[in-house]
Amino acid sequence: GAVVSQHPSRVICKSGTSVKIECRSLDFQATTMFWYRQFPKQSLMLMATSNEGSKATYEQGVEKDKFLINHASLTLSTLTVTSAHPEDSSFYICSASRGAWRDTQYFGPGTRLTVL
Amino acid sequence: DQQVKQNSPSLSVQEGRISILNCDYTNSMFDYFLWYKKYPAEGPTFLISISSIKDKNEDGRFTVFLNKSAKHLSLHIVPSQPGDSAVYFCASQGGSEKLVFGKGTKLTVNP
Repeated sequence: GAVVSQHPSRVICKSGTSVKIECRSLDFQATTMFWYRQFPKQSLMLMATSNEGSKATYEQGVEKDKFLINHASLTLSTLTVTSAHPEDSSFYICSASRGAWRDTQYFGPGTRLTVL
Repeated sequence: DQQVKQNSPSLSVQEGRISILNCDYTNSMFDYFLWYKKYPAEGPTFLISISSIKDKNEDGRFTVFLNKSAKHLSLHIVPSQPGDSAVYFCASQGGSEKLVFGKGTKLTVNP
């Protein structure tokens, strides 16, 4: 149990376009979902935390207007990278938890975004 | 400023021997520590955790040791198996704050 999927696994887009990444909890209800970004040889860095039905909480330095997060249901959260630029190229990975304090985060497989 | 450090990017051990992965942290507010394992093309999966009230937690072949005074934790895998070959991430948390991850250590267990 506790499977999280992400789609797409890989996307290449032109500079200036928007890209949507979906994160789904397949067999449990995820009250809380997290979005991380990982640059090569770096650690996973939390971008934002979202709770179902409410606005996401963004980490310092993450532009909320550029990285739009929607957590409309207990099984789906989306991250939209708006007007993507080459510096947004990275590995984006989501995780989901049932929402209890210090509940385990279950991670998706990640999405490799390349902006040309 | 990196609050969680995994200073060894890679480690290679022989099957059947012990693997020891190390992690150091700087934030004294961290009171919960986790290890995640990641295979290629998959997301990290939770392996084992320890809270600051303990200094050891064991789960089968995996044991995590916490030395609070040194702000150091380690993951021991014994005996190591080829299927343990993966990237291991250390993560720390203080209160209800976010998880802070290290850069990971790639473990290779040779048959």
